[in-house]
Amino acid sequence: QSVLTQPPSVSAAPGQKVTISCSGSSSNIGNNYVSWYQQLPGTAPKLLIYDNNKRPSGIPDRFSGSKSGTSATLGITGLQTGDEADYYCGTWDSSLSAAVFGGGTQLTVL
Amino acid sequence: EVQLVESGGGLVKPGGSLRLSCAASGFTFSSYSMNWVRQAPGKGLEWVSSISSSSSYIYYADSVKGRFTISRDNAKNSLYLQMNSLRAEDTAVYYCARGGSGSYYFPWGQGTLVTVSS
Repeated sequence: QSVLTQPPSVSAAPGQKVTISCSGSSSNIGNNYVSWYQQLPGTAPKLLIYDNNKRPSGIPDRFSGSKSGTSATLGITGLQTGDEADYYCGTWDSSLSAAVFGGGTQLTVL
Repeated sequence: EVQLVESGGGLVKPGGSLRLSCAASGFTFSSYSMNWVRQAPGKGLEWVSSISSSSSYIYYADSVKGRFTISRDNAKNSLYLQMNSLRAEDTAVYYCARGGSGSYYFPWGQGTLVTVSS
């Protein structure tokens, strides 16, 4: 059971928008930055969002992040078939003194 | 170009030991914290351990505490993970990742597979 809770799967049609939620507590999301990762099949994870809502160089603005209280959200607009992947949220848990990840969300672009 | 290359994975019997290495290039290694994250077959990401830039701060997941040791050699731009008393549940791809100030990981290496089986 992951410390951070994500929906196991989401789906949407090409061109549409999807959001992926990540729920935690005051010891993790509530008081620390959240990051998001994309993992395409058979590849290493890639950083999409850091510090709640910042994008590394090269990540298109179709990807966005937000945080409110003890929850965070990844948004993807203009869905493409190439966006089909597993998405993970992550943060630091101050009570555990450990990094934590969500269980991952599989995105299907129908 | 920032690059992380893991090595040292392989097949090991339960109770055995293995040492993973991560060779870093393209950035000032001594200025960054470093991390190990693993992924069991068909499962999600699991953080394993983190080490600060000067090795002053080290953290472990409860699942590996007392069995795994993280270390680094800034002169050699290398990160290590000594894994002892290995169990079947340690079977995973182990990724090396550079740390960011907000506890994020960027970039990641390609991973090295550790299989614990008799």
